[in-house]
Parts: sequence; C-alpha cells; structure tokens
Amino acid sequence: EPEVTQTPSHQVTQMGQEVILRCVPISNHLYFYWYRQILGQKVEFLVSFYNNEISEKSEIFDDQFSVERPDGSNFTLKIRSTKLEDSAMYFCASSPGWYTDTQYFGPGTRLTVL
Amino acid sequence: QKEVEQNSGPLSVPEGAIASLNCTYSDRGSQSFFWYRQYSGKSPELIMSIYSNGDKEDGRFTAQLNKASQYVSLLIRDSQPSDSATYLCAVKLGSSNYKLTFGKGTLLTVNP
Repeated sequence: EPEVTQTPSHQVTQMGQEVILRCVPISNHLYFYWYRQILGQKVEFLVSFYNNEISEKSEIFDDQFSVERPDGSNFTLKIRSTKLEDSAMYFCASSPGWYTDTQYFGPGTRLTVL
Repeated sequence: QKEVEQNSGPLSVPEGAIASLNCTYSDRGSQSFFWYRQYSGKSPELIMSIYSNGDKEDGRFTAQLNKASQYVSLLIRDSQPSDSATYLCAVKLGSSNYKLTFGKGTLLTVNP
C-alpha cells in the first residue's frame, strides 16, 4: 500500500540555523500538507499546497517558513533561522483530491532545536 | 469556544468492551470529519471518514455524525489492548477548503 515517506526521521539543529524537511507524498496525490505537533499538544495545520502554489496557510506559517515541490516527487518544508519553539514533530500529508479529501500522514520528522 | 473539542481522558475500558469517544465542533458549516489513531511518538493513522448524518461502520469501528448537534463520535467494539492509543478527531471546518483542525485527542487504555 502506498505511503507518505519523510526524511530525516530526526533532525537536531542549532538555534538560528536553517533546516529542510523532506517528504515524498503518495504517487498521484494532488494535495500536499504540512502539520506540526509540539510535544503534548494537538496537531496543528501549517500549510497546504496544490498545483505548485500555496492554497492555504495558518498564522503559524510566517516568513520563517517556505514550501517547495522541487521535482515530481518531493515536497519540502524549509524553516529559516530556527527558534527553540520550533522543536516539534513535523508531519507531511497528502490527499488524492479527486475522489476524497482524506489526508494520509507520513511518519514525521522530529525536529530538535538546541 | 474551541473549534474541535474532545475529552482528553484517559478513558479506560476492559478488553472486549465497547469504547465510546466523543467530539464536538464549533463550525456548523463543516462537511468533512475524520477519526485518526495516534500511538505515542507516531503519526496520525486514519481510521475512517464520515460526511453524512448517521452511522458509518468499518469492521469494529462505527463513526456517528449529528450535524444538528455538531457532534461526531467513534465506537470501538470488542476493544483490544492494541487499540490503546490516542484518538484524534479532525474536522475540515466550513471556513476552510483544505485545513484539518484537530482536537487534543482522547487517550484510550484497554485493559487485558
């Protein structure tokens, strides 16, 4: 069964550094998403992406964040100048878009900012 | 009022019992509702979706939706210890085309 994959599984970085989190959505899905979950808190929406542009973003998704689909398979989240409070699990999700809006989540990247 | 609310639990049931998980949402225009299961340290795993009022059954799981009461629930029949996890209610609120809004989740423990 096709799955969303994410790399790396764990990323440790110093405050102020830039990180790129990578995702490979399920093949032939059209909609892509990033969510985050701070330890002990609820899953929060960051951004959705469709047809090579941002379709919706939350107030969390400020100028520090950017997303890109650099090729036909990868979907990336870049966090510039990381802060301590960016430490969280980051989940990528995808949905087909044409017959269901169900979102399927990847295993996540645990980001630790020191 | 919080957008999606769930009892945080923990909810403890004996093996073989029915577990009942509840969720309310604030936006009357919401159309898409999902239940996910999340094991500790893992990602949300889809259990089922529901879009219409009434019941939807999938194996041991039944989702129930009542849009008039802005209420969605999940019943787990014949609960197993492997069902012990946090259950997340997610709603695509009426104001959004894409975003899922999650509740905090209910921690379920099934005791052997």
